[in-house]
Amino acid sequence: EVQLVESGGGLVQPGGSLRLSCAASGFTVSSNYMSWVRQAPGKGLEWVSVIYSGGSTYYADSVKGRFTISRHNSKNTLYLQMNSLRAEDTAVYYCARVYGATDWGQGTLVTVSS
Amino acid sequence: NFMLTQPHSVSESPGKTVTISCTRSSGSIASNYVQWYQQRPGSSPTTVIYEDNQRPSGVPDRFSGSIDSSSNSASLTISGLKTEDEADYYCQSYDSSNWVFGGGTKLTVL
Repeated sequence: EVQLVESGGGLVQPGGSLRLSCAASGFTVSSNYMSWVRQAPGKGLEWVSVIYSGGSTYYADSVKGRFTISRHNSKNTLYLQMNSLRAEDTAVYYCARVYGATDWGQGTLVTVSS
Repeated sequence: NFMLTQPHSVSESPGKTVTISCTRSSGSIASNYVQWYQQRPGSSPTTVIYEDNQRPSGVPDRFSGSIDSSSNSASLTISGLKTEDEADYYCQSYDSSNWVFGGGTKLTVL
């Protein structure tokens, strides 16, 4: 059974940093196309970043230069390093595995506030 | 870059059929696959349609997807509506390597 479990969310001050993790089971992260998607409170879905099986990475303009997606193959885990956080980054962050269809995690809440 | 435009809300009665549209602002709707996600209140999204018209295992055949090049839009059709179908629905496609989401449609089954 495929499972995606996000962690690492919490309250952080503007300008601060946070690293989100997504522990995967039932498949190999490094062999799949993995993405981060976020949802601000009461708003729609917004794509954040993707990492392909070959290692190429892409980012939404809103996070480019501040966020970094990566993976740890032996831990079968996806990460999102978030720096220079802003109030508008406040959202639930979901990791997703795309294999044609998309599997989604349960999400982790990031709140950026002083 | 392009946008995907969905109606803000739709409503229909149980047992009826509803169609949610997703219109691409520029470029051909057929040039990139379209996915549809269902999100019930307080829950994560789930995939109901991928690659324009494919259903993941476990999704009932009441859900179907299509694309129409003449209107440059994709559609999600749900037949035999059930109260459990009440949710937000999002279309999604690709712009180069970026994902593009529609704004979401709130489906009310009343």
